[in-house]
Amino acid sequence: EPEVTQTPSHQVTQMGQEVILRCVPISNHLYFYWYRQILGQKVEFLVSFYNNEISEKSEIFDDQFSVERPDGSNFTLKIRSTKLEDSAMYFCASSADGGATSYGYTFGSGTRLTVV
Amino acid sequence: RKEVEQDPGPFNVPEGATVAFNCTYSNSASQSFFWYRQDCRKEPKLLMSVYSSGNEDGRFTAQLNRASQYISLLIRDSKLSDSATYLCVVMTGGSYIPTFGRGTSLIVHP
Repeated sequence: EPEVTQTPSHQVTQMGQEVILRCVPISNHLYFYWYRQILGQKVEFLVSFYNNEISEKSEIFDDQFSVERPDGSNFTLKIRSTKLEDSAMYFCASSADGGATSYGYTFGSGTRLTVV
Repeated sequence: RKEVEQDPGPFNVPEGATVAFNCTYSNSASQSFFWYRQDCRKEPKLLMSVYSSGNEDGRFTAQLNRASQYISLLIRDSKLSDSATYLCVVMTGGSYIPTFGRGTSLIVHP
């Protein structure tokens, strides 16, 4: 079964440092997403990406965040100058049709980011 | 008003019980509906899509009520392995962005 791959599985970084979270979506999918989940809280939308550009972003996704799809397979989330409150699980997801049919969305296993 | 609302639970039930969860959504333009399952510290995994006519997959039955803007999930003959958080996910037409409820925790005990 095709899967979304995320690396690293766990990243520890010092406050103020930059981190890049990597994702390889399913190869024939067209819609890509980043979500985060703070421990014990709900899954929160960060950004969606379609046709090589951001299609929508949430209030959380401020100038500290950026996304790229540099080579047609990888999909990265960069967090500049990390803060303690950025500590969370970050999930990448992809979808063939944006959820318009029953196939839904496939999530990667996540990157646990710990900012110290 | 929250976009997607769920009772967080936990629902604590014995093995073999039948349990039902509801989820309400605020946007009448919502187009697609899903139930996802999330185990502790794992990614959400698609359990089933929810069709207008209702659908069943083994012990799981999902229903959609567009007039009242809610969806439901029924689990029959609960197993210990059903213990997890069940996430209601709604996609509003045109946005292609899934919005998550906070999830309902289910604990099945022997």
